[in-house]
Amino acid sequence: QSALTQPPSASGSPGQSVAISCTGTSSDVGGNNYVSWYQQYPGKAPKLMIYDVSKRPSGVPDRFSGSKSGNTASLTVSGLQAEDEADYYCTSHAGNNNIVFGTGTMVTVL
Amino acid sequence: QVQLVESGGGVVQPGSSLRLSCAASGFTVRTHGMHWVRQAPGKGLEWVADIWSDGIKNYYVDSVRGRFTISRDTSKNTLYLQMNSLRDEDTAVYYCARDIAVGALDFRGQGTLVTVSS
Repeated sequence: QSALTQPPSASGSPGQSVAISCTGTSSDVGGNNYVSWYQQYPGKAPKLMIYDVSKRPSGVPDRFSGSKSGNTASLTVSGLQAEDEADYYCTSHAGNNNIVFGTGTMVTVL
Repeated sequence: QVQLVESGGGVVQPGSSLRLSCAASGFTVRTHGMHWVRQAPGKGLEWVADIWSDGIKNYYVDSVRGRFTISRDTSKNTLYLQMNSLRDEDTAVYYCARDIAVGALDFRGQGTLVTVSS
């Protein structure tokens, strides 16, 4: 199972929006609605930000939103804040009941 | 309060074995699917294995299938990962997580570092 494809980096100024893509295949992203997104600070454990494509766990700001079209899912961070600077990873349920992670995107707040 | 405490990591030689533990509190492992995820130094996250809430079904990433075994002890509310025939490429921080929905992983620990080196 190959990793999902994400851009290595993305950036935006405070208050702006940034969108991160996550491209897979019809066997993973395109084949179900079990796409999740995680935020990770250096040296820390990942934190779930979005699940089931667009649902937010309790406590996650509504500045974070998710969507999907075909084999590509997206995470959008609106009203960018300094604390949003982190690595972001997508995942999808895949064949053989596996979970596949994306390659990761480093978000920089300019 | 939900907590996961990973332990058991260390420095081992290639071909060795190691057992990781993940002690859960604030919830019971029998009611959630449980997962192991790893991150090699400076690299991205990789899902390793999971065990379903029924305690029977378990699945592995291709690179560890046949070498690693995931299990749980509900009496101790603890998840395990038995790692045999360790390779250099197994070097990573290993995190455990519970799922709160299909494929939605809730990480509540600090991870444990496994270093495989001669």
